[in-house]
Amino acid sequence: DARVTQTPRHKVTEMGQEVTMRCQPILGHNTVFWYRQTMMQGLELLAYFRNRAPLDDSGMPKDRFSAEMPDATLATLKIQPSEPRDSAVYFCASDQRYSYNEQFFGPGTRLTVL
Amino acid sequence: KNQVEQSPQSLIILEGKNCTLQCNYTVSPFSNLRWYKQDTGRGPVSLTIMTFSENTKSNGRYTATLDADTKQSSLHITASQLSDSASYICVVSARRGQNFVFGPGTRLSVLP
Repeated sequence: DARVTQTPRHKVTEMGQEVTMRCQPILGHNTVFWYRQTMMQGLELLAYFRNRAPLDDSGMPKDRFSAEMPDATLATLKIQPSEPRDSAVYFCASDQRYSYNEQFFGPGTRLTVL
Repeated sequence: KNQVEQSPQSLIILEGKNCTLQCNYTVSPFSNLRWYKQDTGRGPVSLTIMTFSENTKSNGRYTATLDADTKQSSLHITASQLSDSASYICVVSARRGQNFVFGPGTRLSVLP
């Protein structure tokens, strides 16, 4: 069955290292979201793309975070350099064009920055 | 400021009982409201999506209501099951698009 996939599922790294998280949206979905979830802040929208073009990345710290969609089957979220406060679960989600459509979330990448 | 509040923060009920979770929002202009269920260690799963013209929407044993005038929504779970143990998150969209405001969630535990 169709689902959003994310890799890696877990990542432990040291402060200052680069981290790249990958997401494969559901085939046919043209809107892709990146979210971050922490115990303190809950779920936060970092950025989203439609038809591979970034529409809103206002939730993302631009000095260290970057999000791209090299093609329709791959979205990436990169942190460089990583900091301990970036430790969180990062979710990717996808849906079709219209805002009332259901979003499908991936299983998440649990990031720990030491 | 656009905000979404949920109550209670946590809830414990016995299997088979009903419960109601609350969501209050100050998001404006309102576009739609979503309820998600999130099992521990998993991504959220959509339960319902409602626009301003919808008062109620059901998904199996889950029934969501929306009062756009008072800016309140509720999620009612009927005949709870152990598998209903999860966090339930209310999300409100501020305009036609994807400007989402997330509530902190309600943690539900269903005990045998």
